[in-house]
Amino acid sequence: GAGVSQTPSNKVTEKGKYVELRCDPISGHTALYWYRQSLGQGPEFLIYFQGTGAADDSGLPNDRFFAVRPEGSVSTLKIQRTERGDSAVYLCASSPQDQGGHGYTFGSGTRLTVV
Amino acid sequence: AQSVTQLGSHVSVSEGALVLLRCNYSSSVPPYLFWYVQYPNQGLQLLLKYTSAATLVKGINGFEAEFKKSETSFHLTKPSAHMSDAAEYFCAVKSGGYQKVTFGTGTKLQVIP
Repeated sequence: GAGVSQTPSNKVTEKGKYVELRCDPISGHTALYWYRQSLGQGPEFLIYFQGTGAADDSGLPNDRFFAVRPEGSVSTLKIQRTERGDSAVYLCASSPQDQGGHGYTFGSGTRLTVV
Repeated sequence: AQSVTQLGSHVSVSEGALVLLRCNYSSSVPPYLFWYVQYPNQGLQLLLKYTSAATLVKGINGFEAEFKKSETSFHLTKPSAHMSDAAEYFCAVKSGGYQKVTFGTGTKLQVIP
């Protein structure tokens, strides 16, 4: 597609529930990144994929968070047993590759609210 | 390790005045540096980037930034602020050994008519 698409744009869920957030990157971009942005903060790195594999998942806060990219394009961020502290905007970005000085193209984000 | 520090979480300027948003970075190797802008309820948009070519980098919407290695700085400037420049601006760094970009905490720019 023309840009990075994230769905849903908003998600409200109850504490303890499971959620999935989807990211559809720019066609042909091999690198895909997930960030989380809390109110008043800069984006915080969660995980990135080069192709189908997670090249760096050091930013995932705990084992309730998991992400996949099975075919090297669309990615899903999965959060189990959601907590109120998980409320944030989840941003996805893609770039042509992870090497070099390529900037990211970001999606508009998914605003997750855990009540 | 890599990091950026943005001085001033809020900056106010008058319409037509100079915009200066400060960013200092820390990197053990020559970095790539970026400025992103975020308008309300929108995703981040790349303004400009430094990738070891010219130290003065020009971006979109009349913004530019200068890489100063001796000062480890990459400040963002615009000669004359427009009302449409009101947004949040993020400085970011990517070092050679790291494949991810690290963002600063952002600076909200307010433009006063």
